[in-house]
Amino acid sequence: DQQVKQNSPSLSVQEGRISILNCDYTNSMFDYFLWYKKYPAEGPTFLISISSIKDKNEDGRFTVFLNKSAKHLSLHIVPSQPGDSAVYFCAASGGLNNDMRFGAGTRLTVKP
Amino acid sequence: NAGVTQTPKFQVLKTGQSMTLQCAQDMNHEYMSWYRQDPGMGLRLIHYSVGAGITDQGEVPNGYNVSRSTTEDFPLRLLSAAPSQTSVYFCASSYTPAGTGISDTQYFGPGTRLTVL
Repeated sequence: DQQVKQNSPSLSVQEGRISILNCDYTNSMFDYFLWYKKYPAEGPTFLISISSIKDKNEDGRFTVFLNKSAKHLSLHIVPSQPGDSAVYFCAASGGLNNDMRFGAGTRLTVKP
Repeated sequence: NAGVTQTPKFQVLKTGQSMTLQCAQDMNHEYMSWYRQDPGMGLRLIHYSVGAGITDQGEVPNGYNVSRSTTEDFPLRLLSAAPSQTSVYFCASSYTPAGTGISDTQYFGPGTRLTVL
């Protein structure tokens, strides 16, 4: 069962515009959420995270929003740059198990 | 500081062969884990370790074994390779276990692309 879902396999935006990547989860025990970025032939790298006690966390051009009632989080990138083109994974952890569940990823393409 | 290293980068096996994927980290992290990445499935946890001598199963452990004799190394063994194990394998490490909500950032290695014929 996929407890973390990223329903958009791909997203294309113009340079300078906003990119919004979405993620839904089903397990109400999750209390920590992360976004990872992955370039081809490399491992994922940490981008930004948010604890369930917050509803927003900002780091430069990246902002993550958490809506606990809807079990939904989103990553906003403003302004988008061509170097942001990558696959973005949403991840969640918490509950009884010491594991982290990942979504299937969204491939972002930022066009110059 | 090399971070998380994985060897080999690529490997082709025949069905039934065994092999070990190597993973090492030089950050003195207690928590290490193995994931596999398949199209449309994201990253799925195979096995993890919260410290030397301690391992546990993740979401998809069947067909894989692990051991953790040192803090630095966490090898993944395929006992009898099957085509369903064709995937990209990532090793990761962090200071504290995922699920604690504290420093859950995991550092990933570059991956091993495995093909089983």
